[in-house]
Amino acid sequence: QKEVEQDPGPLSVPEGAIVSLNCTYSNSAFQYFMWYRQYSRKGPELLMYTYSSGNKEDGRFTAQVDKSSKYISLFIRDSQPSDSATYLCAIRHMDTGRRALTFGSGTRLQVQP
Amino acid sequence: EAGVTQSPTHLIKTRGQQATLRCSPISGHTSVYWYQQALGLGLQFLLWYDEGEERNRGNFPPRFSGRQFPNYSSELNVNALELEDSALYLCASSPGTLEQYFGPGTRLTVT
Repeated sequence: QKEVEQDPGPLSVPEGAIVSLNCTYSNSAFQYFMWYRQYSRKGPELLMYTYSSGNKEDGRFTAQVDKSSKYISLFIRDSQPSDSATYLCAIRHMDTGRRALTFGSGTRLQVQP
Repeated sequence: EAGVTQSPTHLIKTRGQQATLRCSPISGHTSVYWYQQALGLGLQFLLWYDEGEERNRGNFPPRFSGRQFPNYSSELNVNALELEDSALYLCASSPGTLEQYFGPGTRLTVT
């Protein structure tokens, strides 16, 4: 079983839609959660990070973590064609000696104008 | 503020050769991470350097190695290249907190 599973998509939505991107993880020792956006042939760009259960909002983006279910989500409101990219969830172990990120496989999102 | 830079952008090598990839972190960042993004395999952790020392490595063979210099820049070396080493190699830097900021990557092609 992979440490983090992510719906692969692709996901195609009309402009203005609310997008929900999801990941699950298997090990409760993972306590830190990030979302990255990666445009084609570019490096990943950090969107948000959080370490507590609940919601964290930043503009049109909301990160949600449910540690009891080991489930993390990213919501994008009022989606724009410029949001078209691959979205990667990433988790980090609680051990400070294990700071490397474990990534989901990524969800490709296409926002249609 | 300048972001993470990587060189070269593209690298073409023949099987059995060695490749050297370079990374300059964001100013003030002391940690450098290397990841491999191969088609169909996703982003996988290779190596973590902090304050000039290798702190952790991922599940890759010893022919993947590197170092971090006193100015915190880093080098990734891949010896005895194999066809399956073809991938995008990404470097990320961190000030020692949760955030990791990625560079644009070096695309390595092994023929």
